[in-house]
Amino acid sequence: DTEVTQTPKHLVMGMTNKKSLKCEQHMGHRAMYWYKQKAKKPPELMFVYSYEKLSINESVPSRFSPECPNSSLLNLHLHALQPEDSALYLCASSQTNAYEQYFGPGTRLTVT
Amino acid sequence: EDQVTQSPEALRLQEGESSSLNCSYTVSGLRGLFWYRQDPGKGPEFLFTLYSAGEEKEKERLKATLTKKESFLHITAPKPEDSATYLCAPKALGNYKLTFGKGTLLTVNP
Repeated sequence: DTEVTQTPKHLVMGMTNKKSLKCEQHMGHRAMYWYKQKAKKPPELMFVYSYEKLSINESVPSRFSPECPNSSLLNLHLHALQPEDSALYLCASSQTNAYEQYFGPGTRLTVT
Repeated sequence: EDQVTQSPEALRLQEGESSSLNCSYTVSGLRGLFWYRQDPGKGPEFLFTLYSAGEEKEKERLKATLTKKESFLHITAPKPEDSATYLCAPKALGNYKLTFGKGTLLTVNP
């Protein structure tokens, strides 16, 4: 089974709201990732967790806050977002950072 | 800096018309090159990993090959359900990051 699940599928939020995106995998993978994808563009890496520790933050604004509560779960906390943050947010996982990444279906975020 | 160029940007084929997609890359110390398929509004679906020049992988109508500078995704007798954006992503040794190309949008007409 190579399934990564993400909730919610769609999210609409105002610029003053606080919301969270959730990601889960049960493949025993020790690396997990958050990506942002705008229309007709490739995914852009935001954060990497390796063995539950934040390894990479690609200079992401602090209004995005990642959290890895355990080896199966990854959250992305959102606060005071801007309309330009509207995008498809993808979670991925891999056995370790050396191997192929498996992506979830994504959360379509709209900031109004 | 790692660079990836995919061509063509878009490709329109008739059902059954075979063709190839190209991925040219410059990476210091290649760990692997990954191919993904992405349908609109969905997450990328993993297809292949290629690790060394000369390696080939096949899955149904798709075959991926790798040289030291390029990878090709050959599509044999495509069907409309093969329509998608195909992304390649080389990965350097010791690097957490995948460097995605901009993708090739493949449309297969019945």
